[in-house]
Amino acid sequence: AQSVTQLGSHVSVSEGALVLLRCNYSSSVPPYLFWYVQYPNQGLQLLLKYTSAATLVKGINDFEAEFKKSETSFHLTKPSAHMSDAAEYFCAVSVENQGGKLIFGQGTELSVKP
Amino acid sequence: GAGVSQSPRYKVAKRGQDVALRCDPISGHVSLFWYQQALGQGPEFLTYFQNEAQLDKSGLPSDRFFAERPEGSVSTLKIQRTQQEDSAVYLCASSLAPRQSSFFGQGTRLTVV
Repeated sequence: AQSVTQLGSHVSVSEGALVLLRCNYSSSVPPYLFWYVQYPNQGLQLLLKYTSAATLVKGINDFEAEFKKSETSFHLTKPSAHMSDAAEYFCAVSVENQGGKLIFGQGTELSVKP
Repeated sequence: GAGVSQSPRYKVAKRGQDVALRCDPISGHVSLFWYQQALGQGPEFLTYFQNEAQLDKSGLPSDRFFAERPEGSVSTLKIQRTQQEDSAVYLCASSLAPRQSSFFGQGTRLTVV
C-alpha cells in the first residue's frame, strides 16, 4: 500500500530564505509523486510532478523537487521565499491501477516572515 | 469550461437533511475524483469515475454517501441524512486520462448544524 508522510505540520521562513518542505513516501512499485499548493478557501493547484523521468523536477514559481529512491523522499525546495508563497502544501502519491487516485500527506503550512 | 467548477461553494445543512454537491469537470476529462478534506487535514479519497463508470467507491464513509456521473461529464455527490461529522470541504478533481495530473475545483464547504 502507498502512503505519504510530511515532516513538519508548520514551517516558517523569512522572505528571501530557502524553503524546504519534506515528504517521504512508501510504495511497493515505482511511484508517481506530486506536490500541490492550497491557498485559503481555494482548491489545490499542481506545483510539480514526478513520473519516473528526470529525478529533479522543476515546477511553477521556481519550486523544484528531487526524487531520491534510496531515501524514499521527494522534498520540495525553493531558493528564495516570497510572501506570496505562504500557503498549505501537500505531497501526494498516485496509486497504480486505481485510476490515479491520490493519497495525500497531512500537509505543511508555510509561513513567510517579512 | 476552463477549469473544474463546483457548486455550491458553501452549504449549510441541518442535521438529517439531504444535500447534493455538483462537479463540472474540465471538458473531455475522462477521470473524475471526489475527495473529502476535514479541517487541518489532507484530502482523503472518496470515489473515482472513469467516464460514467464508478470504478472505485472504497473511500465513501457510509451508505449515506452516493455519487453518480450518468453521462460521463457532470458528477453529483449526494449525502443523505447529514451528520455533524460530515462537515468538511468536498473537492472534485478531473484528469484527462488515468494517472495524468488531476486538476481540482475550489471545493464545496459543507457545514452541518
